[in-house]
Amino acid sequence: GAVVSQHPSRVICKSGTSVKIECRSLDFQATTMFWYRQFPKQSLMLMATSNEGSKATYEQGVEKDKFLINHASLTLSTLTVTSAHPEDSSFYICSARLYPDTQYFGPGTRLTVL
Amino acid sequence: QKEVEQNSGPLSVPEGAIASLNCTYSDRGSQSFFWYRQYSGKSPELIMSIYSNGDKEDGRFTAQLNKASQYVSLLIRDSQPSDSATYLCAVEERDTDKLIFGTGTRLQVFP
Repeated sequence: GAVVSQHPSRVICKSGTSVKIECRSLDFQATTMFWYRQFPKQSLMLMATSNEGSKATYEQGVEKDKFLINHASLTLSTLTVTSAHPEDSSFYICSARLYPDTQYFGPGTRLTVL
Repeated sequence: QKEVEQNSGPLSVPEGAIASLNCTYSDRGSQSFFWYRQYSGKSPELIMSIYSNGDKEDGRFTAQLNKASQYVSLLIRDSQPSDSATYLCAVEERDTDKLIFGTGTRLQVFP
């Protein structure tokens, strides 16, 4: 149990385009999902907390207009990187919280912006 | 600033030995503690959660919690080369749903 999927697993795009990443909890409902970013050889950095039916809460320094998050249902949250640039290239990982407190991670999406 | 600290390693142990990974945290109000394993290029995978002082065992893994000392540890018995990974300690921040992660300890198990 407690499986989280992400799609796509890998994406390469041109600078200036937008990329959407989906995060799904497959066998449980998650009112709260999280989005992280991880650069090589660094730890996870929380970007935002996504709550079903309400606006996401962004961490300090994360541009909410650049990283659009939508949590439209209890099993799906999406992250859209708008007007991506090479510095946005990273490993993006979502997690879904299984009540009351355990986070299960998706497999991650590796974004490369050319 | 709430913090979780881990020795970055690498911690090198021979196959079959016990690996001991340690973590300290700053938020005295935290009640939930987690260990995740992350292989290179992959996302974190939950190993164990612990909530009460003392030991919690699951197979070859034992988590230990001491809230008075603000200390969490993970013991891996009979270490295998496949255990070679980075181990992340995570502490749930009081009053939020967020996990505060340590920077991780890289474990190397050599044959």
